[in-house]
Amino acid sequence: KAGVTQTPRYLIKTRGQQVTLSCSPISGHRSVSWYQQTPGQGLQFLFEYFSETQRNKGNFPGRFSGRQFSNSRSEMNVSTLELGDSALYLCASSRRGEISDTQYFGPGTRLTVL
Amino acid sequence: KQEVTQIPAALSVPEGENLVLNCSFTDSAIYNLQWFRQDPGKGLTSLLLIQSSQREQTSGRLNASLDKSSGRSTLYIAASQPGDSATYLCAVNAGGTSYGKLTFGQGTILTVHP
Repeated sequence: KAGVTQTPRYLIKTRGQQVTLSCSPISGHRSVSWYQQTPGQGLQFLFEYFSETQRNKGNFPGRFSGRQFSNSRSEMNVSTLELGDSALYLCASSRRGEISDTQYFGPGTRLTVL
Repeated sequence: KQEVTQIPAALSVPEGENLVLNCSFTDSAIYNLQWFRQDPGKGLTSLLLIQSSQREQTSGRLNASLDKSSGRSTLYIAASQPGDSATYLCAVNAGGTSYGKLTFGQGTILTVHP
């Protein structure tokens, strides 16, 4: 069974631009979560989606948004990019979207903002 | 606010040694705790998930224990190998409506030298 896939793997943008990252969960998984990883802050939770609904959101500004499609694939969007948005963005999926589920992570998208 | 701390921040051991990684959390009201490994520039690989009602989980050479009341977990790696070199992260889920939200420690960088 294929794992979580994320596209693109690497991205370079300039300040002020916007970016869209994509995540395809493991087949049959219904929940997708997004995380930002930076050397200074470590891994921080962005948001979680289940059945096309955002159920949980972390402490990030409104420039960070996401959505989930009926096939469980998810996208996250960052508008008006800032230098501090440079990070590894990871998505994770779980089968039933329950608290007890194991989360499986993708390889991440490395975003560099110049 | 839940805080997760991992000690030590880095560890270097010769091949064959048994070792222990530590994880502590400030709020004992967790639902489960998960250990991950992360190879440089890559995503996270789930190693073990311990539900709050469990005391330990084992997988191959790995054993994770959980003492919820004292806010501690340990990951024991037996007979370490160079391929175990990676960053090890622990993460807790608070349960309730914390769908998809894991709170991570900063990780322990493990180097196993031949």
